[in-house]
Amino acid sequence: GAGVSQSPSNKVTEKGKDVELRCDPISGHTALYWYRQSLGQGLEFLIYFQGNSAPDKSGLPSDRFSAERTGGSVSTLTIQRTQQEDSAVYLCASSFTTGLTTDTQYFGPGTRLTVL
Amino acid sequence: LAKTTQPISMDSYEGQEVNITCSHNNIATNDYITWYQQFPSQGPRFIIQGYKTKVTNEVASLFIPADRKSSTLSLPRVSLSDTAVYYCLVGSGAGSYQLTFGKGTKLSVIP
Repeated sequence: GAGVSQSPSNKVTEKGKDVELRCDPISGHTALYWYRQSLGQGLEFLIYFQGNSAPDKSGLPSDRFSAERTGGSVSTLTIQRTQQEDSAVYLCASSFTTGLTTDTQYFGPGTRLTVL
Repeated sequence: LAKTTQPISMDSYEGQEVNITCSHNNIATNDYITWYQQFPSQGPRFIIQGYKTKVTNEVASLFIPADRKSSTLSLPRVSLSDTAVYYCLVGSGAGSYQLTFGKGTKLSVIP
């Protein structure tokens, strides 16, 4: 079946502009995650959704960052008033939560955001 | 979440077996050990997961000693296509969703 998809694959924006990044998880996966990966760095957790609710927003770096998920499926990560330090690859993952073991997360290809 | 430590980089020739060791001294009783692989310009991909002793699948083997304070990912007969970053993660089922990826181990396979 189809994997996790993200759009756009690349986004170049000017400092101060707002951007929206989209994630389509694997059908039937109840959990959805957003991560950020800066050049040469590991992944930084941003936010986690279980269904449409986000029990953990602790990773969002500032109030410029927000995310929503509708219908238990598609999620949008919004960054307002972008800054150059927001430049990174934004990765989305989804999992079918079993609660029995550490659920395997399936990652999308990411969106490369460049803020000029 | 248990902190993990792994080498920053490793080099290997094609055809050799590669062993990448991860230390996780503070692993909890309910924690599992999971390894992911990431190729350039792609998201991480699950490789293998285990709790204790040895786990083997079509891609790799995972060796976990009795004290579970470390684990070793073993890649048999690597090829150039195995060049990637390998991440070791530790967590349990409920509440471990916040996968903590460190910088991983960058494996370079040399012809």
